[in-house]
Amino acid sequence: NAGVTQTPKFQVLKTGQSMTLQCAQDMNHNSMYWYRQDPGMGLRLIYYSASEGTTDKGEVPNGYNVSRLNKREFSLRLESAAPSQTSVYFCASTSVGEIYGYTFGSGTRLTVV
Amino acid sequence: GQQLNQSPQSMFIQEGEDVSMNCTSSSIFNTWLWYKQDPGEGPVLLIALYKAGELTSNGRLTAQFGITRKDSFLNISASIPSDVGIYFCAGANSGYALNFGKGTSLLVTP
Repeated sequence: NAGVTQTPKFQVLKTGQSMTLQCAQDMNHNSMYWYRQDPGMGLRLIYYSASEGTTDKGEVPNGYNVSRLNKREFSLRLESAAPSQTSVYFCASTSVGEIYGYTFGSGTRLTVV
Repeated sequence: GQQLNQSPQSMFIQEGEDVSMNCTSSSIFNTWLWYKQDPGEGPVLLIALYKAGELTSNGRLTAQFGITRKDSFLNISASIPSDVGIYFCAGANSGYALNFGKGTSLLVTP
């Protein structure tokens, strides 16, 4: 049972480039989330998808877009990367109403130069 | 999101010592959770608290949900080197997303 799988694990982008971070879960969870983690800032919610077909903005959505491709997959897209988007990105998933069941992926470490 | 204040920011202790960290909020939460993040990994749930005043243990870890519902603390007894990591508190109400504190970085020397 893989849980939450994120790809890639590491990425370096030049300013202005675009890329998509992939996330897939195999636990049949309804809700999926994207967080970013910066030193001294904790985890901040970028976007979430409460269920297949819905997405909503979190605390820091600017510069990002998301797609809930199906129940398993939730991708995060940077259309024009900026150095301020250098961070570690975590995907998480949970069943509806089971916030204690949050499962995180191992993260994508993104550097924008 | 709602602001959670977690302290201390970092701790450097010797193996065998007890550890205490806490989390406060200006807002009420119905659920408090504590996560641990190992280096290079995502956070993993340690303890979940659902009721004001609740005291819950998980091995050497004990956490409490404050009576005011605006705070929580986590204690680790008899620390060991594998306790090293970042500990996050998180609060939640209705809805789906968690609000995380900024984390307490714990270093344990043998």
